[in-house]
Amino acid sequence: AQKITQTQPGMFVQEKEAVTLDCTYDTSDPSYGLFWYKQPSSGEMIFLIYQGSYDQQNATEGRYSLNFQKARKSANLVISASQLGDSAMYFCAMRGSPDSGYALNFGKGTSLLVTP
Amino acid sequence: DAGVIQSPRHEVTEMGQEVTLRCKPISGHDYLFWYRQTMMRGLELLIYFNNNVPIDDSGMPEDRFSAKMPNASFSTLKIQPSEPRDSAVYFCASSRTGGSGNTIYFGEGSWLTVV
Repeated sequence: AQKITQTQPGMFVQEKEAVTLDCTYDTSDPSYGLFWYKQPSSGEMIFLIYQGSYDQQNATEGRYSLNFQKARKSANLVISASQLGDSAMYFCAMRGSPDSGYALNFGKGTSLLVTP
Repeated sequence: DAGVIQSPRHEVTEMGQEVTLRCKPISGHDYLFWYRQTMMRGLELLIYFNNNVPIDDSGMPEDRFSAKMPNASFSTLKIQPSEPRDSAVYFCASSRTGGSGNTIYFGEGSWLTVV
């Protein structure tokens, strides 16, 4: 079974600073994908970034990067130069192999507040 | 391209009434998922379809819940009869194929309140 753990219920960061949101996972699947989604107060789930288990390099998408440490089973999201609009819930999720089904398993989320 | 489209966005209904939530996946996507989000339980997978066929409905809470996908561009999630504990945000999501590397895209959600 897959398990995603986000240990930070809430985080604060000052505008223009960088922030790291933690995510650890557990799986027996040899191939898996790790995803981060953003959920603002309006409620929609917005895809941010993806990391494949066999990818050698850390994924980056604009101000978002994923610090992937496979041996430690961690996939932390780094947001650089935080903006007020980054205030939201952030979810780490895993998509596994066919034997586990192809649905996403989510962590409980981290609430990020960016302050001026 | 249009994203995943859900309707209604908001619904308030009385206990015992039937509720039907609708979803149009992204064109060309052959996986469709229904999730439920609550404060207590977070995001839970209810059911998913591949090529219109239900693959795993083990997350459907009870017989009051049913889901169908009559064609590649439409799915419904029905609750009959509804109860206050069904109040939640229901998300529909789709992806182009299976595989661990394919992104799942979500609709804006249907906010259901059962009073």
